[in-house]
Amino acid sequence: GESVGLHLPTLSVQEGDNSIINCAYSNSASDYFIWYKQESGKGPQFIIDIRSNMDKRQGQRVTVLLNKTVKHLSLQIAATQPGDSAVYFCAENIRGYSTLTFGKGTMLLVSP
Amino acid sequence: NAGVTQTPKFQVLKTGQSMTLQCAQDMNHEYMSWYRQDPGMGLRLIHYSVGAGITDQGEVPNGYNVSRSTTEDFPLRLLSAAPSQTSVYFCASSSTGTGSYEQYFGPGTRLTVT
Repeated sequence: GESVGLHLPTLSVQEGDNSIINCAYSNSASDYFIWYKQESGKGPQFIIDIRSNMDKRQGQRVTVLLNKTVKHLSLQIAATQPGDSAVYFCAENIRGYSTLTFGKGTMLLVSP
Repeated sequence: NAGVTQTPKFQVLKTGQSMTLQCAQDMNHEYMSWYRQDPGMGLRLIHYSVGAGITDQGEVPNGYNVSRSTTEDFPLRLLSAAPSQTSVYFCASSSTGTGSYEQYFGPGTRLTVT
């Protein structure tokens, strides 16, 4: 989702549901993408990454999908738990550069 | 390993004061960077370093200085604090030799400038 002013887009789900968080990236030259999770008062934590030569990558309860045609990433969380409540950021990198460019984030709220 | 550490956790400054935010990592990572995070925003890159003695500007470098005299440490200096620099500051590090650009983040420093 896109940020609107100071308010993060928010996804509210029930415990046990599957969650899908979306991200539109900006640079067609980007070839590496990461999803980070940030809990309140903490630094971002790595969740999963994917290279541009892949369309899909799976981790434990998480799947990242990459659609290069429309420059879109998604993070799917299976059987969402209250501990998954956090802000989720996507980040992109261009080959040969050290820096990551971060999206504005989506807040995931999981109700018991 | 302690990972990436930052001090202080909280700081209040008056406009015009200077201070240094400390960052250290014990993973022998070549790459280190500083970000600021404002409410409802993602992380914006201030400065970064690809190795000792090498630094470069990121997206929002004005009002900040950095140096990298050792692999472990990457301090961020605020020269003359302004209310616009009220933010949460994160330091991060990564290894450039693995082919992964995963960055490891510190816990952050919450800075308020009055």
